[in-house]
Amino acid sequence: AQSVAQPEDQVNVAEGNPLTVKCTYSVSGNPYLFWYVQYPNRGLQFLLKYITGDNLVKGSYGFEAEFNKSQTSFHLKKPSALVSDSALYFCAVRDGSSSNTGKLIFGQGTTLQVKP
Amino acid sequence: EAQVTQNPRYLITVTGKKLTVTCSQNMNHEYMSWYRQDPGLGLRQIYYSMNVEVTDKGDVPEGYKVSRKEKRNFPLILESPSPNQTSLYFCASSFTPGLAGAAEQFFGPGTRLTVL
Repeated sequence: AQSVAQPEDQVNVAEGNPLTVKCTYSVSGNPYLFWYVQYPNRGLQFLLKYITGDNLVKGSYGFEAEFNKSQTSFHLKKPSALVSDSALYFCAVRDGSSSNTGKLIFGQGTTLQVKP
Repeated sequence: EAQVTQNPRYLITVTGKKLTVTCSQNMNHEYMSWYRQDPGLGLRQIYYSMNVEVTDKGDVPEGYKVSRKEKRNFPLILESPSPNQTSLYFCASSFTPGLAGAAEQFFGPGTRLTVL
């Protein structure tokens, strides 16, 4: 069965420091991996995705993520955090070789708090 | 502006009173989906639609109905709401997952439903 785990409910970093939000996944076929961000009272906004190719994926707002097949991980990173990055972050996966239901399996979310 | 809209944004109702949450997208997407978000569980898919008149169950379809009579609209219907359907609901859309590769999904702003 497909699954996504975000092991940290909350990540705290100081502004200007690098940040990492962790994600591991399990799928039977090739993974399509996504990161979304949710600001208070807003819908989910797409940040970046990994489909194939370069393991380092760059996305919106200076975020990037590294796909690691052997560790089945897709951690979200940013070299220098901003207070405005504070939000709820979701990792999601879809099995690229399965039927085209389009269903995304989401992790439970990680709250990122960036302190000034 | 490309967007997914949902109405209402907030709704408080009572057990058994039928309600409909509307969803509309202006991006000519074939694929649409409904998710519910509950604390600690991430987002779970309720129903999805690959195109007009084509709908199918997601992971948590019990107590919900959908229809897809037009490409842009995908309403979610709760015929007899119960308190366990109190949740935050998101509609999403994308190009066909298979044809467009791993197309990212665009999310609406959410509908917060409380069933008393």
